Amino acid sequence: EDKVVQSPLSLVVHEGDTVTLNCSYEVTNFRSLLWYKQEKKAPTFLFMLTSSGIEKKSGRLSSILDKKELSSILNITATQTGDSAIYLCALNSGGSNYKLTFGKGTLLTVNP
Amino acid sequence: EPEVTQTPSHQVTQMGQEVILRCVPISNHLYFYWYRQILGQKVEFLVSFYNNEISEKSEIFDDQFSVERPDGSNFTLKIRSTKLEDSAMYFCASIPSVEYYNEQFFGPGTRLTVL
Repeated sequence: EDKVVQSPLSLVVHEGDTVTLNCSYEVTNFRSLLWYKQEKKAPTFLFMLTSSGIEKKSGRLSSILDKKELSSILNITATQTGDSAIYLCALNSGGSNYKLTFGKGTLLTVNP
Repeated sequence: EPEVTQTPSHQVTQMGQEVILRCVPISNHLYFYWYRQILGQKVEFLVSFYNNEISEKSEIFDDQFSVERPDGSNFTLKIRSTKLEDSAMYFCASIPSVEYYNEQFFGPGTRLTVL
């Protein structure tokens, strides 16, 4: 069974700090790893990673995949209070239906 | 920008009652999903649907659950006889095709409360 483990489960920082969120996985047939941000309701898409070592970047957020270590990190620089959310890591593996297996998420709280 | 919509946003029901949760996926999408998230827990896959049939279902998706695409736009999840433990947020998601897969597009969710 595919498994996704995120750490830490929660994190409290001050505005301006840089944070690194971790995601490790076990999978029989890796296809892609996705990061989502969940504020109040639906997860909103951040990144999809398929290749090892290639950083994806969007503003202050960036993410990279390490297939050798079976892990990914999500970095947020110069954090703002609006970054407060649950960050979800999800795995897309095998099969023909592209279902996602989610981790428990990291609850990030950014204090002013 | 096209988006997945879900109705109702919140449904309260009595244990044992049937509920139908509705989703309208993005119009040119072909693959549809239901996920649920019990409060404080992770998002869990329930079922995937393609070409008018279930392509995969999880252990959670037992005989009490069913899905349907009754017309060209709606995608529904029915729970036949709700239990207390069915209380959760239910998310619908869709993708255009597996050839152009970048992300799953999630709807805003329906919060189901079973009393």
